[in-house]
Order: sequence, then structure tokens, then C-alpha cells
Amino acid sequence: GQQVMQIPQYQHVQEGEDFTTYCNSSTTLSNIQWYKQRPGGHPVFLIQLVKSGEVKKQKRLTFQFGEAKKNSSLHITATQTTDVGTYFCAGRTGNQFYFGTGTSLTVIP
Amino acid sequence: SQTIHQWPATLVQPVGSPLSLECTVEGTSNPNLYWYRQAAGRGLQLLFYSVGIGQISSEVPQNLSASRPQDRQFILSSKKLLLSDSGFYLCAWRQGLNTEAFFGQGTRLTVV
Repeated sequence: GQQVMQIPQYQHVQEGEDFTTYCNSSTTLSNIQWYKQRPGGHPVFLIQLVKSGEVKKQKRLTFQFGEAKKNSSLHITATQTTDVGTYFCAGRTGNQFYFGTGTSLTVIP
Repeated sequence: SQTIHQWPATLVQPVGSPLSLECTVEGTSNPNLYWYRQAAGRGLQLLFYSVGIGQISSEVPQNLSASRPQDRQFILSSKKLLLSDSGFYLCAWRQGLNTEAFFGQGTRLTVV
């Protein structure tokens, strides 16, 4: 069945360090979305990537969609304590989105 | 504007008891509706989705069921809860397949 894996599962960084989470699918995706879930909260949409090789930026966040549309990454430059949370990718195959396993980010002040 | 309501926020239920979680969406029509479960420290597992009234698709066989009695109402049920049903249940909606998903606040269910 469809699987979307994310690595790492957990990441602890010192405030100011960079952070990257990777998302890999076993099948080609139509598009991919990224969400952030703060501790105790619900996932909130960040961005959607559609085109092969697409790169989008939101301030310190950079999102990439792989050329083969099977992988994606989220990179945060100079992390801040407000970046704490779990980051999920969600890849669309057919009529369904499948969420990745998530990467939990802890930022140490 | 559109809003999604999910209740209750927390629930403690004994093993073998029934379950009913409700989710409603306001400000839109014919949304795609979803129920997810998130075990502690884990990802989002899709349980059910619905593209219209009375249309339910199940992703994972289990002792849970879902119903959509009205266009903007989605209900998650169980006749007899198991300990393994504990988790964080999230309702979500999206308007189309290429749009973002909006999540409810979630229900933290503990089965004791």
C-alpha cells in the first residue's frame, strides 16, 4: 500500500542551527503538502508543491519537491523556539492524501 | 469564512463502552471529510473519508465506523472500545483534492 516515510523521527537542535526533514514516497505523487503541528495542537497547512523540482520559500523555510515527484524536503534556516512542533508531509496519490510519519523538532534555547 | 468544530476535546471511556465523536463544518458545502487518528508520538493514520452524504470509505479495518448523515456532519463511532483505540482523533475537511486540509481541534481519547 501507499507509504510516505519521513526522517528523522525526532530532531533536537540548538537555537540558531538549521533543520531539515525529508519525506519519501514509494510511489509518484501528484502533489505534496506540508503541515506543522504545535505540541498539543492540530496540524496547520504550510504549503503545497505541485511541479517536479519545485522550490518554494516562506521566510526561513524552504520547501523542495523532487524531480521524480517521490520525495520532498523542508529546510529551516536558523531555527527559533517558535519553530518547535511536528512537521508532516502529505503526498497525494490518486484521490487520497497520505500523511508522513512526521518529524518532531525540539529547539533548545 | 469556514470553520470546523470537533467535540469533545477530551474523553475518558472504559473498555467496552460505545463512542461517538462529532465533527461539523460551517461556511462551505459538499466538503471532503476525514477522520484521522494520531497515536502518541506517531503520524496521522487515515481512518475514514467521505466525499458526500452517506458515502464513507474506510482505510483501515477496525472496530470503528463513520457516518455522514448531513453534508457538513461527520461522526466517528464504536460499539465497544478497545484499549488500543486510545489516541488523538482529528477531523479534517478540504474542498477539493488540490486544496489544503483544515483540521479540527482534536479529541484526546483515553480508553481505560
